[in-house]
Amino acid sequence: EPEVTQTPSHQVTQMGQEVILRCVPISNHLYFYWYRQILGQKVEFLVSFYNNEISEKSEIFDDQFSVERPDGSNFTLKIRSTKLEDSAMYFCASSDRVGAFFGQGTRLTVV
Amino acid sequence: QKEVEQDPGPLSVPEGAIVSLNCTYSNSAFQYFMWYRQYSRKGPELLMYTYSSGNKEDGRFTAQVDKSSKYISLFIRDSQPSDSATYLCAMRGNNAGNMLTFGGGTRLMVKP
Repeated sequence: EPEVTQTPSHQVTQMGQEVILRCVPISNHLYFYWYRQILGQKVEFLVSFYNNEISEKSEIFDDQFSVERPDGSNFTLKIRSTKLEDSAMYFCASSDRVGAFFGQGTRLTVV
Repeated sequence: QKEVEQDPGPLSVPEGAIVSLNCTYSNSAFQYFMWYRQYSRKGPELLMYTYSSGNKEDGRFTAQVDKSSKYISLFIRDSQPSDSATYLCAMRGNNAGNMLTFGGGTRLMVKP
């Protein structure tokens, strides 16, 4: 069964460092998303991506964040200068017309 | 008022019980309603989706949407210990690329 894969599963980084989280969406899906979940809290939308551009973004997705689909298969989330409060599970998702399918997440720990 | 509200639980039931999980919402623009299951420190797993009002059944799971009351439900029949997880409702507008708005999740424990 097709699935969304994310790497790495766990990333520890120092405050102020840049991180790149990687995702391979399901191959025939057209819509791609990043969500995050701080421990014990709701899943929160960050950004959606369609037709090689951002289609929607939340207030969380500020200038420190960027997304890219560099090669037609990978989908990346970059955080330029990490803060302690960026520590969370980051989920990539992809969608056909209806359901959004999530990856297993990258646990980002900023120290 | 939060956009999507969900009782956090935990909800503890004996094996074989019928489980009822619910969400209320305030945004009348929501048209697609999803239920996800999430195990600890894992990604949400799509269980079912429903468009607009009505019922949908898939095996032991039944999803109901009442748009007039802004209320959605997920019923699990013959619950199993393996159903123990957090159940998240999520919803979005009519456009395929719209963001999902999640409830906070209900933690379910099914005891053998």
